[in-house]
Amino acid sequence: EAQVTQNPRYLITVTGKKLTVTCSQNMNHEYMSWYRQDPGLGLRQIYYSMNVEVTDKGDVPEGYKVSRKEKRNFPLILESPSPNQTSLYFCASSSPGDYTEAFFGQGTRLTVV
Amino acid sequence: AQTVTQSQPEMSVQEAETVTLSCTYDTSESDYYLFWYKQPPSRQMILVIRQEAYKQQNATENRFSVNFQKAAKSFSLKISDSQLGDAAMYFCAYKGGSGGSNYKLTFGKGTLLTVNP
Repeated sequence: EAQVTQNPRYLITVTGKKLTVTCSQNMNHEYMSWYRQDPGLGLRQIYYSMNVEVTDKGDVPEGYKVSRKEKRNFPLILESPSPNQTSLYFCASSSPGDYTEAFFGQGTRLTVV
Repeated sequence: AQTVTQSQPEMSVQEAETVTLSCTYDTSESDYYLFWYKQPPSRQMILVIRQEAYKQQNATENRFSVNFQKAAKSFSLKISDSQLGDAAMYFCAYKGGSGGSNYKLTFGKGTLLTVNP
């Protein structure tokens, strides 16, 4: 089954404790992105990757890091989480092509206390 | 930068009736793509329908159709014969045809649709 898998789905952590949210896709997609969803703000792109070892900032990159060492994986790293990073996070992947849809993971609900 | 505006934070519809969700966008690009995504309580993002800007014909997927007005930069979603399972948050999204805007979706803030039995 074609899918994007994120882990964990729920996470509660404390301020300053480094964490990683994993994302893996099995569709051999070149493009991958991270979004955060906040009430009243919709989804906003954090980082994206066009291919292995190629990443760039999205609209809200501050406080986040990413890496793309393998085509299928695109982890999101919060090195020093703060309460304003409490949010719902989505990983998405797609293949090149203007008309292609993005496939989303199940979401990760992160709470930073 | 592109922006997407959904002016209706919440909408409600009676089961079996028709509802239209509004979306407007702002862009200077001539080539772009528009999408509607549905997010039920499960949080999963599900593609409902998509439209290429260069196509004049409005996209249709079963009970879902769009009214795409390129000059007005409007992209509304019509749901016919509404069902209880249509209750969800709906997001309008834009993707540019080239450059950096091709690598991301720009989303509106969403419209929460309630379907009343």
